Order: sequence, then structure tokens, then C-alpha cells
Amino acid sequence: GAGVSQSPSNKVTEKGKDVELRCDPISGHTALYWYRQSLGQGLEFLIYFQGNSAPDKSGLPSDRFSAERTGGSVSTLTIQRTQQEDSAVYLCASSSRGGAEAFFGQGTRLTVV
Amino acid sequence: EDQVTQSPEALRLQEGESSSLNCSYTVSGLRGLFWYRQDPGKGPEFLFTLYSAGEEKEKERLKATLTKKESFLHITAPKPEDSATYLCAVELGSARQLTFGSGTQLTVLP
Repeated sequence: GAGVSQSPSNKVTEKGKDVELRCDPISGHTALYWYRQSLGQGLEFLIYFQGNSAPDKSGLPSDRFSAERTGGSVSTLTIQRTQQEDSAVYLCASSSRGGAEAFFGQGTRLTVV
Repeated sequence: EDQVTQSPEALRLQEGESSSLNCSYTVSGLRGLFWYRQDPGKGPEFLFTLYSAGEEKEKERLKATLTKKESFLHITAPKPEDSATYLCAVELGSARQLTFGSGTQLTVLP
């Protein structure tokens, strides 16, 4: 596609529910990243994919967070048993290779009530 | 501990008033330094990549420079549409993630 696409753009969920966030990277980009941006905060790294494998999961804040990537393309970030502190904007980015400039999607604004 | 620090946190300029934003880093094995622009409610937009000390990149009114310890984003004769948060990020030697600074919120008044 022309750019990184994320869905939904906004998600309101009740505390304790599971949510899935989707990312469609730029076609042909092998590297994919998930970041989290809390209100007024900088970007917090969550996970990096190279192809379908995730060599770096170091940023996942707890075992309630998981992510997968299939076909070297679409990625899904899943948050189980959501908590209010999970409220943030979740940003996905892709690049042609690990370490190259990354292009970001518009983000998914998650609100846990 | 690897750190990226941006200053100032916020900057207000009059239209046409040139200035510079700073990004200092204390990391080992720097592979690249990236500048992004972020508008409210949007994802960061890529601006520049710098790889080695002494390197410079330009785009319209923006010029990025890199030394061994810091990078500057120079804004020449800014316009109100340059108002945004400017983020810098570093890529470390062994990792592929970008470590971001907290950003400089730039406001250019007409």
C-alpha cells in the first residue's frame, strides 16, 4: 500500500476485555515495529519483527501483551485483560530493512474505561 | 544507560525567527540518528537520517547536523505550518529498535 495502515483508529474498551490492534505495513517492507505513546510522553518501543519472526520483544510491558506477524505482512498486537494504564496511542511503523528509516501509521488510540 | 535528551521541551518563535533544536545522546555504538515531525493526532513523519559525525541533511527550511554527541535541527525563517513536535531517535549498534527522545514542541506564531 501507499503507507502504513492501522485499524481501528480509535478503540474504547472496558477494563478486563481483550483487544486486537491491526497494522498493514508498506508493501515490501520486511521490518515492522510497534510503539506506544502515552499522553504527553515519548514513544516507547514494544516489539520488532523481521519478516515473521520477532528477534526483539524486549519492550512488551507484561505477558498480557503479545504480537504476531503473518505472511511477512500484516501484524496484530493483542492486549489481554486490559487495564486503565494500557490507555495510549499504539503506533506501528515499517521499514525496508531493520535499522533503516521507519514510516509510521496514524496510530490506534486505545481508551480503557 | 543509553539516553536521548531533547531540548528545549517547548519553543515559541515568531514567523521568520530562525532557531535550533537540540538532541543529545549518550549511547554506545550509534548506527544512525533520525529526525521525525509529529502533528497532533498523527503518527510521526520521517524527516532525516544521519549516520556519521559531520553529516548534514537539508529539506526546505530544515537542516539537520550531527556531531559525536549531539544533533541539531536548524529551522530557517520558520512559518506557522512548521509548528509541530519534533522527535529525534537513535538506532543502537546491536538493536534494531529506535530509542526516541521526548520531543520539542515548536510553535511558530504568525
